[in-house]
Amino acid sequence: AQSVTQPDIHITVSEGASLELRCNYSYGATPYLFWYVQSPGQGLQLLLKYFSGDTLVQGIKGFEAEFKRSQSSFNLRKPSVHWSDAAEYFCAAVAGGTSYGKLTFGQGTILTVHP
Amino acid sequence: NAGVTQTPKFQVLKTGQSMTLQCAQDMNHEYMSWYRQDPGMGLRLIHYSVGAGITDQGEVPNGYNVSRSTTEDFPLRLLSAAPSQTSVYFCASSYYPLAGGLPDTQYFGPGTRLTVL
Repeated sequence: AQSVTQPDIHITVSEGASLELRCNYSYGATPYLFWYVQSPGQGLQLLLKYFSGDTLVQGIKGFEAEFKRSQSSFNLRKPSVHWSDAAEYFCAAVAGGTSYGKLTFGQGTILTVHP
Repeated sequence: NAGVTQTPKFQVLKTGQSMTLQCAQDMNHEYMSWYRQDPGMGLRLIHYSVGAGITDQGEVPNGYNVSRSTTEDFPLRLLSAAPSQTSVYFCASSYYPLAGGLPDTQYFGPGTRLTVL
C-alpha cells in the first residue's frame, strides 16, 4: 500500500538553529511530493513541491527540501528557525495518472521553537 | 478571492443526528475534496469530485455522503453521526492536472471542528 511516514512526532529547536524534518514514502513509482504547514487553528498552506528535475527544491518562508530517490526520502530543511515557524508540518504524496488529487499525508511533525 | 471557505467553524452533534458541512470555492477549480484530520494520523481523504455531477470515494468514505451540483460547492453530509466521526474536517480544491498530468496545488479551507457526543 502507498504510504508516507514522518518518523518524528514532535521536534523542539531553539530559535536560530537549523531544522530538518524527515519524510519517507513508499510507492511503486516515485510520487509527486509536497510539504504543507499548519499553524494552530488554521488550514494547510503549501510550502513546496517536487515533481521532477532538480532534487533540491526551494519553497516559501526560507524552507527547502531535498528529494533522494535512493532513500525514498523528501526531507524538509531550514537553515535558521524563527519563532513564527512553530507549527505542524505535513509531508504528502500523490501518485501520477488518475490519482492526481488524492493526497496521502504523513502523520505530521509538531515543531516547537524555544526562544 | 475568498479562496476556500467552510462553515461552520465548530459544531457539536449528538449521536444519530445528521448535518451538512459546507464548502465553497471561488477559484473555478474543477477538483474538490474532503479530508478528515485526526491526531497522529495526518489527513485522510473522505470523498472527492473532479467536476459538477462527478464524485468518488476516498480512503475513509463510510458514514459520509457528498454531491456536486455546481463547480463552486461541495457539501459533506453526515447522515447519522457517530462519536468516531469526531474530527477536524478540511475541504480542498485545485485545477485539473497541469499539462503533462502534473497535479496542481491544492488549496485548503480553514476547517470545521466537529464533536459528536
